[in-house]
Amino acid sequence: QQQVKQSPQSLIVQKGGISIINCAYENTAFDYFPWYQQFPGKGPALLIAIRPDVSEKKEGRFTISFNKSAKQFSLHIMDSQPGDSATYFCAASMGGYSTLTFGKGTMLLVSP
Amino acid sequence: DSGVTQTPKHLITATGQRVTLRCSPRSGDLSVYWYQQSLDQGLQFLIQYYNGEERAKGNILERFSAQQFPDLHSELNLSSLELGDSALYFCASSVQATAGELFFGEGSRLTVL
Repeated sequence: QQQVKQSPQSLIVQKGGISIINCAYENTAFDYFPWYQQFPGKGPALLIAIRPDVSEKKEGRFTISFNKSAKQFSLHIMDSQPGDSATYFCAASMGGYSTLTFGKGTMLLVSP
Repeated sequence: DSGVTQTPKHLITATGQRVTLRCSPRSGDLSVYWYQQSLDQGLQFLIQYYNGEERAKGNILERFSAQQFPDLHSELNLSSLELGDSALYFCASSVQATAGELFFGEGSRLTVL
């Protein structure tokens, strides 16, 4: 099973709030879980990534939480800012392969 | 700027036609990937090349083909185009063939009329 399921499809958060996007996967062979951020007219860009040997990784206002037993991982954006308004994709890859399987994306709008 | 260059940025063509999309990876990157992005399917992996050789294949139609040349640039050829092929086509590159950061270009938007 190659799918990565992402929710919600869209999200509106007030400035200063916490944005939470969730992803779930079935394939236990996945061992690399990145999040990509995409602004309109641009290609996706790596935001933050985690491997299953840790349960959490934080970079600035962005945190990945990873639950290996539940096969779920999530992105938390603290103190969300209007500049964070973008589409966010979770992804996964496995073994020695670098090809990423992407979720369908979450369109985040942070209102001023 | 990711360092990945894609041309053309926009392309409008008719059903049944053939187009070629071009990608120049970041300097030093040996892997090139092609992804198709549509509103309902998200980012779908098409194919990967590593140092000129096909490395992995995804949901690429038989009407589509790709190659990576000795100078590491890549081309994606789409033939017998259908309305449903209208999408954004992204190229990405990475240094290695194993898991790591992919650097995406800005995409080529294909419209089939």
